[in-house]
Amino acid sequence: DAGVIQSPRHEVTEMGQEVTLRCKPISGHNSLFWYRQTMMRGLELLIYFNNNVPIDDSGMPEDRFSAKMPNASFSTLKIQPSEPRDSAVYFCASRQGAAGTEAFFGQGTRLTVV
Amino acid sequence: GQSLEQPSEVTAVEGAIVQINCTYQTSGFYGLSWYQQHDGGAPTFLSYNALDGLEETGRFSSFLSRSDSYGYLLLQELQMKDSASYFCAVRGNTGGFKTIFGAGTRLFVKA
Repeated sequence: DAGVIQSPRHEVTEMGQEVTLRCKPISGHNSLFWYRQTMMRGLELLIYFNNNVPIDDSGMPEDRFSAKMPNASFSTLKIQPSEPRDSAVYFCASRQGAAGTEAFFGQGTRLTVV
Repeated sequence: GQSLEQPSEVTAVEGAIVQINCTYQTSGFYGLSWYQQHDGGAPTFLSYNALDGLEETGRFSSFLSRSDSYGYLLLQELQMKDSASYFCAVRGNTGGFKTIFGAGTRLFVKA
């Protein structure tokens, strides 16, 4: 398996634009996480899906952020409109089941909003 | 809610042993994990403890005391390549077993 695949790897966009980050989890994993990493706030959990259903989105910072998982092999994180403070590295991770011990991370998307 | 505390930085010399501590608070405990992240890379899994005691995997060991809400990562025979950030992460048994990460400990290994 190729691991968790995220795209794009880098994204530079202007303030106010819509940004869509994509994630393909490892086949057979039914738990998916979106994290945001910054120097100031570390690794923050944004949202967690289990069997394609959002279980906990309490970490989503505000209404500008939304996430979907239309099927077991694809998830998106959308920011609309984007702001400079959204600049961060966004990681997607997947895990095999709620009882799985190990989360596998994608390589991340480095987002810069200017 | 869930929260974790770990030191921000640790420095050690090559060949030495270093221990990175982690204390946590969670409304329900399921397990404590450790992850390593090199600059520019993604976090990678090192170990997981659900029960009290020591888990050993090569040069790395992880310990958990549930009664003390405390764990540590022990790195032996330090190598330069071990210079990285190390995160403890706690999984509670609420909120669908979500995993929350600590702020990370930056380990500097000197020659």
